[in-house]
Amino acid sequence: EPEVTQTPSHQVTQMGQEVILRCVPISNHLYFYWYRQILGQKVEFLVSFYNNEISEKSEIFDDQFSVERPDGSNFTLKIRSTKLEDSAMYFCASNGQLLEAFFGQGTRLTVV
Amino acid sequence: AQTVTQSQPEMSVQEAETVTLSCTYDTSESDYYLFWYKQPPSRQMILVIRQEAYKQQNATENRFSVNFQKAAKSFSLKISDSQLGDAAMYFCAYRNNQGGKLIFGQGTELSVKP
Repeated sequence: EPEVTQTPSHQVTQMGQEVILRCVPISNHLYFYWYRQILGQKVEFLVSFYNNEISEKSEIFDDQFSVERPDGSNFTLKIRSTKLEDSAMYFCASNGQLLEAFFGQGTRLTVV
Repeated sequence: AQTVTQSQPEMSVQEAETVTLSCTYDTSESDYYLFWYKQPPSRQMILVIRQEAYKQQNATENRFSVNFQKAAKSFSLKISDSQLGDAAMYFCAYRNNQGGKLIFGQGTELSVKP
């Protein structure tokens, strides 16, 4: 069964450093998303990506964040100058015509 | 703006019994999708069940079923014959019909007692 794959599963980084979270969505899907879940809280939408451009972003997704689909298969989230409050689980998701989103297993980001 | 509310932070059920998790939402749209996702301790998000708003029939997936009340904007999840593996956080989610983002509720932590 096709699945969304995220790497790494856990990333520890020092405050102020840049991190890149990687995702390989399901191959025939058209819509791609990043979500964030701070421990013990609900899942929050960050950004959606369609037709090689951002289609929607939340107020959380400020200039510190960027997304890219560099090669037609990978979908990356870059966080510049990480802060302690960026520590969270980051989920990549994709969906096709049925509009049900399939999630990756998540990347746990810890900023120290 | 659309919102999703889960008013039960925690629920508990005896193994083999039935439990219902509540969800209400607010939207001005007439066509949309509703979902229940399960998040076990591994924190993976697993789709449990989906409901299209234009369908009057309630969705069912094995032991999982929903009670969709469109006028009341209510979307509850019923788990029958609860199993230990059902213990997890359950999130209700809303999406419009244009492939947009998911809007999640706060979640309900379900524990299953043997």
